[in-house]
Amino acid sequence: DIQMTQSPSSLSASVGDRVTITCRASQGLRNDFGWYQQKPGKAPKRLVYTVSSLQNGVPSRFSGSGSGTEFTLTISSLQPEDFATYYCLQHNTYPYTFGQGTKLEIK
Amino acid sequence: EVQLVESGGGLVKPGGSLRLSCAASGFTFTKAWMSWVRQAPGKGLEWIGRIKSNADGGTTDYAASVKGRLSVSRDDSKNTLYLQMNSLKTEDTGMYYCTTDPAHINDFWGQGTLVTVSS
Repeated sequence: DIQMTQSPSSLSASVGDRVTITCRASQGLRNDFGWYQQKPGKAPKRLVYTVSSLQNGVPSRFSGSGSGTEFTLTISSLQPEDFATYYCLQHNTYPYTFGQGTKLEIK
Repeated sequence: EVQLVESGGGLVKPGGSLRLSCAASGFTFTKAWMSWVRQAPGKGLEWIGRIKSNADGGTTDYAASVKGRLSVSRDDSKNTLYLQMNSLKTEDTGMYYCTTDPAHINDFWGQGTLVTVSS
């Protein structure tokens, strides 16, 4: 199975901060990779697909980048509604695997 | 409006069975590859299985943790996805979500249905 190592596992930041979350894959993924946001008690929502494409309706302060085995999600200027848990997902190889999550909290 | 509505969750004893349903509307279900994702209480997301569209063969793939016990199926005449859960274990407890496969550009999720496996 492809292992997805996500870091950090938690992060405290302030409104207006720039934040970066990283996922490293145990093998190359091509562009079969995305980022998800989940708020408490809600279903996940995809923010980014194929590494860097923004899902419809997702604010432009979110961006994804990377290639091969290392991928990043950047939030350029944190807003109050961005405090949530973020997950990466590889769907290059079965079984699909999620990162363990990054909980983004208000400082 | 796109909707995915899961049902069928509940309390079941270890070793028991349950069948979850996911009713889809508002998009072309027959063309969609569909996945099930679960989340144990307070834990992260786990992909558990996927079924391709019937046009693409209708084949399934599973996570090792559920292979042989959980199975995904679909009834395109009813626009419904199923998850048959057999030989349930306490570690199968969690929220179960149906979702369009991540290979699709569109990203649709249900609200989830809670499965509790406990004696």
